[in-house]
Amino acid sequence: GENVEQHPSTLSVQEGDSAVIKCTYSDSASNYFPWYKQELGKGPQLIIDIRSNVGEKKDQRIAVTLNKTAKHFSLHITETQPEDSAVYFCAASLSGGSYIPTFGRGTSLIVHP
Amino acid sequence: NAGVMQNPRHLVRRRGQEARLRCSPMKGHSHVYWYRQLPEEGLKFMVYLQKENIIDESGMPKERFSAEFPKEGPSILRIQQVVRGDSAAYFCASSPPGTWAGNTIYFGEGSWLTVV
Repeated sequence: GENVEQHPSTLSVQEGDSAVIKCTYSDSASNYFPWYKQELGKGPQLIIDIRSNVGEKKDQRIAVTLNKTAKHFSLHITETQPEDSAVYFCAASLSGGSYIPTFGRGTSLIVHP
Repeated sequence: NAGVMQNPRHLVRRRGQEARLRCSPMKGHSHVYWYRQLPEEGLKFMVYLQKENIIDESGMPKERFSAEFPKEGPSILRIQQVVRGDSAAYFCASSPPGTWAGNTIYFGEGSWLTVV
């Protein structure tokens, strides 16, 4: 089955800095890569996703890049703010059929004011 | 447009009791997923269901755990004879039918089970 590795497990930055979280996956057939943000005591919320037919996607201060050859994808947050502090999860899955997303272990992002 | 609804949000059970967690998917969604999150750990897949069918239960413990998604009503995750190790957050997610939907899954706010 699919295996997703996520690094780092903890990331501490100053407000205004950029943050980068990296994930690798094992199944070359995976073609859908969502990112979720989980705040304390809440459920994971989808923040951005990317499919294998594109290499980069951007939405305001967040962007995701995908390298299918190397089987890795990354989340980039620019101009971080304290409200970006949360746990971020990457996932990989195969679109279509009885797909089940496999998640990374999560990255705890702390943005210091 | 209500999201995925889970209840109860918090549940305390004594060892040996039963826990029942309910999940109503988003309107129009027919696929339900249950995940477990232990403290300081990620989201571990448990079971994937469609109406009246268990599609994949490869992540479910072999004993004491069961899940259903009846034709009418919410999906239910049932844990019999709970033990302290069952203490965790249990998240339900749903997705729409059909491959065109892109397979994005949307999570509920979770049910926090504490076994004392």
